[in-house]
Amino acid sequence: EPEVTQTPSHQVTQMGQEVILRCVPISNHLYFYWYRQILGQKVEFLVSFYNNEISEKSEIFDDQFSVERPDGSNFTLKIRSTKLEDSAMYFCATAGDRGGYGYTFGSGTRLTVV
Amino acid sequence: AQSVTQLGSHVSVSEGALVLLRCNYSSSVPPYLFWYVQYPNQGLQLLLKYTSAATLVKGINGFEAEFKKSETSFHLTKPSAHMSDAAEYFCAVRVSGGNAGNMLTFGGGTRLMVKP
Repeated sequence: EPEVTQTPSHQVTQMGQEVILRCVPISNHLYFYWYRQILGQKVEFLVSFYNNEISEKSEIFDDQFSVERPDGSNFTLKIRSTKLEDSAMYFCATAGDRGGYGYTFGSGTRLTVV
Repeated sequence: AQSVTQLGSHVSVSEGALVLLRCNYSSSVPPYLFWYVQYPNQGLQLLLKYTSAATLVKGINGFEAEFKKSETSFHLTKPSAHMSDAAEYFCAVRVSGGNAGNMLTFGGGTRLMVKP
């Protein structure tokens, strides 16, 4: 079964540093998403991306966050200057349509900011 | 805006017993509803989805859920729990149609524990 691949699986970074989380979507999927899950809390939507632009974003997705598909395959989430409260599990998800038939999630990147 | 409430952050059942995980949603338009399972240190795996077809939806691993519009519910059930069902379960809603957003809104999750 097709998978969404996320790298790295774990990342530890110092506060103020930039991090880039990477996702390889399922090849024929067109809609891409980032979600995050702070430890012990619910999964929260960050941003959706379609046709090389952001289609929606949440309040969490402020100016320190950005997304792009630099080479047409990888889908990346960049956090420009990490804060302690950015520590969370970040999930990439992709969908072949606007999600009516389900979203496939990657196994996540655990980001720890120290 | 749509929202999801999962009653019970922790549910404990004995092996072989009925599993019932509750999910209620609010949505002003017909929703698409999903259940995901998360095993320790893993990602979210789709269990089943409701997309306005049959109201009783069967998923993987013997789980099923029934969409009840009158009760705005989408509870997840399994007739007989297995030790391997121990995990965190998330209900999620996506609003369909028009200019509505196409992201998922998740409930707070229910941790299922299965006792031998």
